[in-house]
Amino acid sequence: QKEVEQDPGPLSVPEGAIVSLNCTYSNSAFQYFMWYRQYSRKGPELLMYTYSSGNKEDGRFTAQVDKSSKYISLFIRDSQPSDSATYLCAMSGQGAQKLVFGQGTRLTINP
Amino acid sequence: DGGITQSPKYLFRKEGQNVTLSCEQNLNHDAMYWYRQDPGQGLRLIYYSQIVNDFQKGDIAEGYSVSREKKESFPLTVTSAQKNPTAFYLCASREDGFSGNTIYFGEGSWLTVV
Repeated sequence: QKEVEQDPGPLSVPEGAIVSLNCTYSNSAFQYFMWYRQYSRKGPELLMYTYSSGNKEDGRFTAQVDKSSKYISLFIRDSQPSDSATYLCAMSGQGAQKLVFGQGTRLTINP
Repeated sequence: DGGITQSPKYLFRKEGQNVTLSCEQNLNHDAMYWYRQDPGQGLRLIYYSQIVNDFQKGDIAEGYSVSREKKESFPLTVTSAQKNPTAFYLCASREDGFSGNTIYFGEGSWLTVV
């Protein structure tokens, strides 16, 4: 079993829809949780960063962490065609030298 | 502007040849990383370095080598021993390698073996 599981998709939704992207993990030591967005043929860019449990909102994006269920989510409201990309979750524990990445979910927003 | 610069963006290599990918950062970050990305397989860690003159193998180090002679530079050599080198290579850096600080990526280098 992989340490971090992420549905690779692809996921296709109409413009304006609410998108939910998810990752599950098995290591209870993880405390730092990140979402990256990667456009085709580009490097990943940091989208959201959360420490421990709870919610964090930034514009149309909301990151949720549920440590009791070992489950993290990224919600995109009022989705736009420009949100079409691959979304990667990543996480690490205190003092960890490496991040553990999910496989990435490929998302397409249709106009 | 501060950031991570990878070069070249596209590179073609003949079988049996070594090739070196450059990675330079001006963020004053201590830790640097090299990842490989293949379609549908996410990111796989090749090598990482926490400080100058020190580096560790990641999950798929065979057929690769690195050096860390300067804080800002972490070049990756893809050797002829790497059996399937065609991939997208990503360099990343982190403020320090032990805290919860996130990592930042360069724009990547595409390597094709012809």
